[in-house]
Amino acid sequence: GQQVQQSPASLVLQEGENAELQCNFSSTATQLQWFYQSPGGSLVSLLSNPSGTKHTGRLTSTTVTKERRSSLHISSSQTTDSGTYLCAMDQGGRALIFGTGTTVSVSP
Amino acid sequence: ETAVFQTPNYHVTQVGNEVSFNCKQTLGHDTMYWYKQDSKKLLKIMFSYNNKQLIVNETVPRRFSPQSSDKAHLNLRIKSVEPEDSAVYLCASSSTGPDTQYFGPGTRLLVL
Repeated sequence: GQQVQQSPASLVLQEGENAELQCNFSSTATQLQWFYQSPGGSLVSLLSNPSGTKHTGRLTSTTVTKERRSSLHISSSQTTDSGTYLCAMDQGGRALIFGTGTTVSVSP
Repeated sequence: ETAVFQTPNYHVTQVGNEVSFNCKQTLGHDTMYWYKQDSKKLLKIMFSYNNKQLIVNETVPRRFSPQSSDKAHLNLRIKSVEPEDSAVYLCASSSTGPDTQYFGPGTRLLVL
């Protein structure tokens, strides 16, 4: 079936360091979305990026559709970036299929 | 304020009871979803609802049923809860097609 794999499973950073999160998906995606889930549980959409490169603040997402992969780059990490980052794909207007997430912990 | 709203935030109940969760979106979207996030934090789709068309994930037990009065509301009813139903239930909405989905804050259910 359709699968979304994320790596690494967890990441520990010192404040100020950069991070690169990876997402690989098993079939062609018409939508690729990155989410942040806080330790409290709320889910926030960071970027929708089915192809190419998109930026928002300190975040950059690059999706190579034909290679079925996407990355999320966090630059100059801050303690408030701690939480879980989820990648999700959609195959054409249907529901999102989520990866298992990367848990990021940023220490001061 | 335009967003996705869910009530209640948290609900504790006993095995066999019926529960109902509410979801409302003020984003003008025409598709709504219910997802379940289990204890391992994995998010899985339960239902999507668009223009009165319901798409059901075949793994969802029959005791779960979505209820919609209009395209801005999609409630979730669980007829007779079981311990494995303890989870966070997240509602989302989007426009038709492969569009960005926006999520509500979730309802945490604990079944004793």
